[in-house]
Amino acid sequence: KNEVEQSPQNLTAQEGEFITINCSYSVGISALHWLQQHPGGGIVSLFMLSSGKKKHGRLIATINIQEKHSSLHITASHPRDSAVYICAGMETSGSRLTFGEGTQLTVNP
Amino acid sequence: GAVVSQHPSWVICKSGTSVKIECRSLDFQATTMFWYRQFPKQSLMLMATSNEGSKATYEQGVEKDKFLINHASLTLSTLTVTSAHPEDSSFYICSARDVLQPQHFGDGTRLSIL
Repeated sequence: KNEVEQSPQNLTAQEGEFITINCSYSVGISALHWLQQHPGGGIVSLFMLSSGKKKHGRLIATINIQEKHSSLHITASHPRDSAVYICAGMETSGSRLTFGEGTQLTVNP
Repeated sequence: GAVVSQHPSWVICKSGTSVKIECRSLDFQATTMFWYRQFPKQSLMLMATSNEGSKATYEQGVEKDKFLINHASLTLSTLTVTSAHPEDSSFYICSARDVLQPQHFGDGTRLSIL
């Protein structure tokens, strides 16, 4: 069974802090999605990566295939970054996603 | 970028009624659409995978007669919750992809059954 484990479950930071969310995954997963879910429920896909590193604005995602580990970093965090961040592994055998439990991020002003 | 539109965003109805939720891919042809259910403070749970023109594949434990999925075109899939009861109240999210796109998610539908 494919598994995705995410940590921490909850994270509170002060505005401006550097934030890291971690994700470990099992064999059978070929790529990782990082998703952002706002309080209203809508989900935005931030990154999909199968190797290396991607950057978009203040967000950086990295993946280490050998260690089966990915991280999402937020630089200069802002209260508007407050949301649930979810890592999801795409199964090698198809397009199904296996979801982590999510990280509730709260950035205080 | 690719956009997936889901409608309605919020619905309240009486127990016993049927509710239809639409999921549309707005600027790409979605060969595959996914329907998820999410309970409060929990992650998404895949209900079914639907490919255009064929029957949906349901996950174990999901009643296909309860949750009817139709994917009649490359841009539209519908989920109908039949004879809804309070325990069906939940947040339902669709996503869509084609061979070139990763999954793009709709904004979800919050369903409340009274």
